[in-house]
Amino acid sequence: DADVTQTPRNRITKTGKRIMLECSQTKGHDRMYWYRQDPGLGLRLIYYSFDVKDINKGEISDGYSVSRQAQAKFSLSLESAIPNQTALYFCATSETGIREQYFGPGTRLTVT
Amino acid sequence: QQQVKQSPQSLIVQKGGIPIINCAYENTAFDYFPWYQQFPGKGPALLIAIRPDVSEKKEGRFTISFNKSAKQFSLHIMDSQPGDSATYFCAASREGGSEKLVFGKGTKLTVNP
Repeated sequence: DADVTQTPRNRITKTGKRIMLECSQTKGHDRMYWYRQDPGLGLRLIYYSFDVKDINKGEISDGYSVSRQAQAKFSLSLESAIPNQTALYFCATSETGIREQYFGPGTRLTVT
Repeated sequence: QQQVKQSPQSLIVQKGGIPIINCAYENTAFDYFPWYQQFPGKGPALLIAIRPDVSEKKEGRFTISFNKSAKQFSLHIMDSQPGDSATYFCAASREGGSEKLVFGKGTKLTVNP
């Protein structure tokens, strides 16, 4: 089984709808991240969490919110989706003190 | 402000060639420089990483060259193969605080047979 899983893998939604992307990990890592990937723009950090009670904004947090329900679960929400949030979204994890990040398979989100 | 600048955006080489991808950074506090490899439909995965106390690190056919004074580092792929076709991201982070990774914009590499 994959260590970092994301659901759904693909999602098409309409402008104004609320949508939640979920991430689960079995690696036992404390740290979890949400990134957005756009062609030509690379990976940009949306939010990150170092433990269940620690949530931090990344460089592009506007329009997004997160919830760390447990050490193994980190959800990303778009409260009111807009077309320019169409992108590939990745969850990642890392162990405290270790810089390597492990990425999930991604969620392709399309907002029409 | 883009903290890690990566070039080129895309690169096409023939099998056996040596593609080189370059990155430059501004923040001298960065002390960890990884390269991630991403195949279509997959998440990025760590390929190789270097710390600034060495000028070169090699793992198999992949080599990182690091120039601390120029604030630049590069990835070289020796004897490239079609299976190396992927998108490559450089990144950087600094110790302490969040230690979060700052990524370059990526390079799409195509290795033709």
